[in-house]
Amino acid sequence: DIQMTQSPSSLSASVGDRVTITCRASQSISTYLNWYQQKPGKAPKVLIYAASSLQTGVPSRFSGSGSGTDFTLTISSLQPEDFATYYCQHSYLYPYTFGQGTKVEIK
Amino acid sequence: VQLVQSGSELKKPGASVKVSCKASGSTFSNYAMNWVRQAPGQGLEWMGWINTNTGNPTYAQGFTGRFVFSLDTSVSTAYLQISSLKAEDTALYYCVSGTNWFDPWGQGTLVTVSS
Repeated sequence: DIQMTQSPSSLSASVGDRVTITCRASQSISTYLNWYQQKPGKAPKVLIYAASSLQTGVPSRFSGSGSGTDFTLTISSLQPEDFATYYCQHSYLYPYTFGQGTKVEIK
Repeated sequence: VQLVQSGSELKKPGASVKVSCKASGSTFSNYAMNWVRQAPGQGLEWMGWINTNTGNPTYAQGFTGRFVFSLDTSVSTAYLQISSLKAEDTALYYCVSGTNWFDPWGQGTLVTVSS
């Protein structure tokens, strides 16, 4: 199975900060990489698919990059509603696996 | 498509549970239906998927034997059945549509296994 490792596991940031979360796959997955946001008590929602495509309705402050084994989710200017847990997930082959999550907290 | 799941369940160890996921707003047989588990305070775990066109299920390792995905296309509903429930099955179970990325998600069904 392909293992997905996110870093950091958690971070504290202030409103307006630029935030970067990384995700590393245990083998090359091309650009079959998705990012999800989950707020407490809510289902996850997709932010970025295919490594860098912004899902419809998602603010443009979110961006994704990378290919192969190394990927990045960037929030250009953190907003109050962005405090949540973020997960990467590959869809290269079955079984699809998620990273362990990165919790973004208020500083 | 919108996905609406059945309500919370409280079950005793050894019992079975069947979670439903009703789809609306799109042709039911046009997509993959996945199931994702989230244990309390933990991350997301992909359980597998079922092809809504053929009914063929695929299970991730660790979700074979006691876990069964099924469909009733007449009511546009997917099901997750778990038998011989254990305390460690206590979790939120999500259905979610999608082949290469997952969207939309159901609201989740909490299954609690306790004596």
